[in-house]
Amino acid sequence: GESVGLHLPTLSVQEGDNSIINCAYSNSASDYFIWYKQESGKGPQFIIDIRSNMDKRQGQRVTVLLNKTVKHLSLQIAATQPGDSAVYFCAENNNNQGGKLIFGQGTELSVKP
Amino acid sequence: DAGITQSPRHKVTETGTPVTLRCHQTENHRYMYWYRQDPGHGLRLIHYSYGVKDTDKGEVSDGYSVSRSKTEDFLLTLESATSSQTSVYFCAIRPGLAGSYEQYFGPGTRLTVT
Repeated sequence: GESVGLHLPTLSVQEGDNSIINCAYSNSASDYFIWYKQESGKGPQFIIDIRSNMDKRQGQRVTVLLNKTVKHLSLQIAATQPGDSAVYFCAENNNNQGGKLIFGQGTELSVKP
Repeated sequence: DAGITQSPRHKVTETGTPVTLRCHQTENHRYMYWYRQDPGHGLRLIHYSYGVKDTDKGEVSDGYSVSRSKTEDFLLTLESATSSQTSVYFCAIRPGLAGSYEQYFGPGTRLTVT
């Protein structure tokens, strides 16, 4: 297919501030969601997941919020650090189907020292 | 990288030549996946496997085949490489725990078809 939107959305934050990365998912039947972090030249790294029966889940310095009404997912990173600079992807799973994940385009987070 | 290795890590090949990429895991996980990553398209699933000799197509499987003769190895073959298959290829594994679909990714293979 055609390549659309070659430039990723970018979020630039100051070191120490909180970051919020948003994701709109496509399928109202999806019941499982994941956030990944991808640093330049590396494979995606699992951050946190959430099931559709939850609205919020917290990890170490990260919180994922799920709003099923508007099909929206967000990742909050507290006290953002330079090492958090990366591309962040959300992914969804629709009732297993071989465990396949559908990935979003990603958002590039840039942390200014 | 969660006990996953990919080989080669970089390859340049000519149009029309066959290419095989290898994914090797030490986790003994049942599920394995091959993705490609291109600007503007994110990660797209090529093929996946749910056990030895059990494979299925993903959304962009045309021009690719896979094989899994052992739990630890999942091979991706481009029978006759084309320039449109220039991409970064990632392998992923999934533990298959009940109610969880998290996948763990390898370091990737950068393939250039000239």
